[in-house]
Amino acid sequence: EVQLVESGGGLVQPGRSLKLSCAASGFTFSNYYMAWVRQAPTKGLEWVASITNSGGSTYYRDSVKGRFTISRDNAKSTLYLQMDSLRSEDTATYYCTRDATVFDYWGQGVMVTVSS
Amino acid sequence: DIVMTQSPFSLAVSEGEMVTINCKSSQSLLSSGNQKNYLAWYQQKPGQSPKLLIYYASTRQSGVPDRFIGSGSGTDFTLTISDVQAEDLADYYCLQHYSSPYTFGAGTKLELK
Repeated sequence: EVQLVESGGGLVQPGRSLKLSCAASGFTFSNYYMAWVRQAPTKGLEWVASITNSGGSTYYRDSVKGRFTISRDNAKSTLYLQMDSLRSEDTATYYCTRDATVFDYWGQGVMVTVSS
Repeated sequence: DIVMTQSPFSLAVSEGEMVTINCKSSQSLLSSGNQKNYLAWYQQKPGQSPKLLIYYASTRQSGVPDRFIGSGSGTDFTLTISDVQAEDLADYYCLQHYSSPYTFGAGTKLELK
């Protein structure tokens, strides 16, 4: 059974950093692209970042470029999202998702609140 | 970026009715290479993560009931739910997975009349 379990969320002040993790199991992690998708409170879904299966290439939405870094450790079957210079508009639930050409499996999500 | 225009914003239905949700993309999602439309539909119930229902516009994900039907090609797509059940009350989103950045529609809230 495919499982994606996010962790690392919480309340953080504007301008500070936070690192999210996503532990994957039930599939060969190193064979798949992975992504982060977020959802602000009462809002819709928004793709944030993607990474190739080897980790050799990464992609970001414009609003997080230069502030967020997606990475992975295939030996640990874990995906990461390093978020720096956080802004209030980054407040959202962040979902880890497997990218098998389409986002087919999702974690339960982790809440990130950016507020002073 | 490809813009996804989803309608309606919300829909009130009774159990047993049929509903349709529409999604229009700002450019074609049809791949000339494999003739597949890179359009997916998701269901999200309150407090839960999104669940993949349909991909390639009309391919049902394993385990999804056959009352969920995806159709359309190019720029115009539809999700039809026949014989709506109480368990289908949720938010529905379309997603274009044709080109980066992948973009979602704004969502449709399906409510009980």
